[in-house]
Amino acid sequence: KAGVTQTPRYLIKTRGQQVTLSCSPISGHRSVSWYQQTPGQGLQFLFEYFSETQRNKGNFPGRFSGRQFSNSRSEMNVSTLELGDSALYLCASSLDSSGNTIYFGEGSWLTVV
Amino acid sequence: GQQVMQIPQYQHVQEGEDFTTYCNSSTTLSNIQWYKQRPGGHPVFLIQLVKSGEVKKQKRLTFQFGEAKKNSSLHITATQTTDVGTYFCAAGTYKYIFGTGTRLKVLA
Repeated sequence: KAGVTQTPRYLIKTRGQQVTLSCSPISGHRSVSWYQQTPGQGLQFLFEYFSETQRNKGNFPGRFSGRQFSNSRSEMNVSTLELGDSALYLCASSLDSSGNTIYFGEGSWLTVV
Repeated sequence: GQQVMQIPQYQHVQEGEDFTTYCNSSTTLSNIQWYKQRPGGHPVFLIQLVKSGEVKKQKRLTFQFGEAKKNSSLHITATQTTDVGTYFCAAGTYKYIFGTGTRLKVLA
């Protein structure tokens, strides 16, 4: 069974640009959540999607958005990039959103210069 | 909002020594999960605890959930160099709040 797949793995963007990251969950998993990991702030919850609906949202500005498609694949978008957005963005999937184990992808390393 | 504190932040041990990391919550938890992240890698699920006072073992790893379901611990017996990494606890139902993590370094 394939794990959680995230693309791209590495990318460099310039301040002010926007970026879209993609996540394909484990087959059969309907919940997809996104986390930002930085050395200073640790793992921070961004948002969670279940059946194409955003169920939960973390404390991030509106520049961070996401969506989920009918096949459970998800994308997150960050607009007007700032230097502080440089981080590892992790996607995680689970069967549903009620406390099941979440499985992380390898992440997308974003560097903003 | 719910907060999960984890101590210590860093731990250096000699290979063969034991290691323990603690996770404390300000509120009662429905469950708690533990993850390990190797340097340069992504968090990998280790275990989930649900019941008050629950103790689970995985080889040299022992996980405990407090009686009040507000704290948890992970104990590693006789650490090995393969145990190096950051150990996170996570709590939540629909969104997970992660502890700050304990970075373990094992000196050979």
